[in-house]
Amino acid sequence: KAGVTQTPRYLIKTRGQQVTLSCSPISGHRSVSWYQQTPGQGLQFLFEYFSETQRNKGNFPGRFSGRQFSNSRSEMNVSTLELGDSALYLCASSLSGAATNEKLFFGSGTQLSVL
Amino acid sequence: GENVEQHPSTLSVQEGDSAVIKCTYSDSASNYFPWYKQELGKRPQLIIDIRSNVGEKKDQRIAVTLNKTAKHFSLHITETQPEDSAVYFCAVAFNDYKLSFGAGTTVTVRA
Repeated sequence: KAGVTQTPRYLIKTRGQQVTLSCSPISGHRSVSWYQQTPGQGLQFLFEYFSETQRNKGNFPGRFSGRQFSNSRSEMNVSTLELGDSALYLCASSLSGAATNEKLFFGSGTQLSVL
Repeated sequence: GENVEQHPSTLSVQEGDSAVIKCTYSDSASNYFPWYKQELGKRPQLIIDIRSNVGEKKDQRIAVTLNKTAKHFSLHITETQPEDSAVYFCAVAFNDYKLSFGAGTTVTVRA
């Protein structure tokens, strides 16, 4: 079974641009969540989707948005990029996204650099 | 939101010794406490988790203990080996479809 796939692996953008990142979950997994990873900050929760519905959102500005498609693939978008948005963006999938929480399977991430 | 503090931020141990990482959290309603390991350049992977109805869980050389009264939980690695060198993240959740992570502990096992 293929793991969680994220594309692209690397992105270089300039301030003010926008970017779209893609995540394909493990086949059969319906929950997709996104995290921002920066050195010393750990992983910060962005949002979680299940059956095309956003069920929870972290404390990020409205420039960060996401969506999920009917095949469970997910995208996140960051508009008007700022230098501080430079980070590794990880997505993770789980089987049902049960409220009681279950094991997350992470992708390799997209490394975004904003110049 | 949930506040998770993780200590220490770096830990260097001699091969064969034990390593202990501690996390504290703020929301007493939290009921799920996983630990993820991230090797250099790799994706985070779950190594062990515990739920609030259990005080301790072991899996070979790793164990997690939970003290709900004090709101802290710890990861214990015994007989450390070079392949244990990685960044370890604790996390906390409560029925809300998200994990709140600690800042991570970089563990280095010296040969």
